[in-house]
Amino acid sequence: DAKTTQPPSMDCAEGRAANLPCNHSTISGNEYVYWYRQIHSQGPQYIIHGLKNNETNEMASLIITEDRKSSTLILPHATLRDTAVYYCIVRAYNNNDMRFGAGTRLTVKP
Amino acid sequence: EPEVTQTPSHQVTQMGQEVILRCVPISNHLYFYWYRQILGQKVEFLVSFYNNEISEKSEIFDDQFSVERPDGSNFTLKIRSTKLEDSAMYFCASSSVQETQYFGPGTRLLVL
Repeated sequence: DAKTTQPPSMDCAEGRAANLPCNHSTISGNEYVYWYRQIHSQGPQYIIHGLKNNETNEMASLIITEDRKSSTLILPHATLRDTAVYYCIVRAYNNNDMRFGAGTRLTVKP
Repeated sequence: EPEVTQTPSHQVTQMGQEVILRCVPISNHLYFYWYRQILGQKVEFLVSFYNNEISEKSEIFDDQFSVERPDGSNFTLKIRSTKLEDSAMYFCASSSVQETQYFGPGTRLLVL
């Protein structure tokens, strides 16, 4: 699986959009981009995933660049409860192992 | 919304004792996984399980560990003789196909 690079930490004001970047320059054509988050020591929570196209669900939007070498997770209106560690994971469809890195610690401030 | 559940939420055991961590995956899921997270470290893959057998395991998953699906709903992780370094959060996950994995809340294991 391709390796990902994320900033170790970010801050965001409550109510504003949080844009979390991820670099995955060695991504292969059959690899998806997944985003999970972990609040304190709770179980990782699935947010969104995509292959090539931008995706949106009730939690977030995922923007993948045309060359697929980077992506951005957007939380449109961050709340204090969005404070968490966010993980960007690149994974082939049939790979059993979700390889979590260190992620980005997002702190939403009032 | 269906979710993965795990019991117990906390387990304290003495070194050398056997522990069994239990998970109830989402009901129509076919793929099951265990991960662990040592305090302050990354979430690490241990094992995946499909069609009643291990499909993949990491080098962490040595002979001390075993997994089982004893009935139609439970999925268990057994650590045969616990060591101090087994202290960690253990997360179970499940997926319907080899795609999105949904995680449980975890079991915090403390080995004394």
